[in-house]
Amino acid sequence: AQSVAQPEDQVNVAEGNPLTVKCTYSVSGNPYLFWYVQYPNRGLQFLLKYITGDNLVKGSYGFEAEFNKSQTSFHLKKPSALVSDSALYFCAVRETKTGGSYIPTFGRGTSLIVHP
Amino acid sequence: DGGITQSPKYLFRKEGQNVTLSCEQNLNHDAMYWYRQDPGQGLRLIYYSQIVNDFQKGDIAEGYSVSREKKESFPLTVTSAQKNPTAFYLCATRGTAMNYGYTFGSGTRLTVV
Repeated sequence: AQSVAQPEDQVNVAEGNPLTVKCTYSVSGNPYLFWYVQYPNRGLQFLLKYITGDNLVKGSYGFEAEFNKSQTSFHLKKPSALVSDSALYFCAVRETKTGGSYIPTFGRGTSLIVHP
Repeated sequence: DGGITQSPKYLFRKEGQNVTLSCEQNLNHDAMYWYRQDPGQGLRLIYYSQIVNDFQKGDIAEGYSVSREKKESFPLTVTSAQKNPTAFYLCATRGTAMNYGYTFGSGTRLTVV
């Protein structure tokens, strides 16, 4: 079984400050991990993914995420937040084993609000 | 949202009426998915299809039906048996590699009037 938790419903940060959106996961074996962003009344857009290799993954719009196997976490980060980063962020996890349905489990989402 | 077209963007349904949401893709992806999104509940899987003429129920399939007659198309019908259909519906596809993530459409907002 696989699961993902986003412990914060909302994160508030001032423009120019660093931001972190938290995600922890549970899978059997090694995970594939994803971050998506959703703007109002739009579909989800892919930000970045961790498959294997370097624990620090860089993605779109200056976002990055750090894979921490011991803490089973994949927190999303950005050094300097922009007002335009305000959106809903989803973490997703999928097991890497073959023969399955390859369907990821999504977190409930974290609303990021960047204040001017 | 490029490569996946969902229509209509907004849809209104009367009580007891069936409605069909369209999802068309030109990405040549085999796998297609339908999700329902409600505030504070994240994404819940309704149906998925990994190949033409085959589809599987997801976590909340009751009151919904799908077909997959063509690779490009995966329409979702919300039937009158779905008692609380007001939600945002998202269609997604996935490439063939195991480590691919999803590509999402721009969604359809369904409201019961």
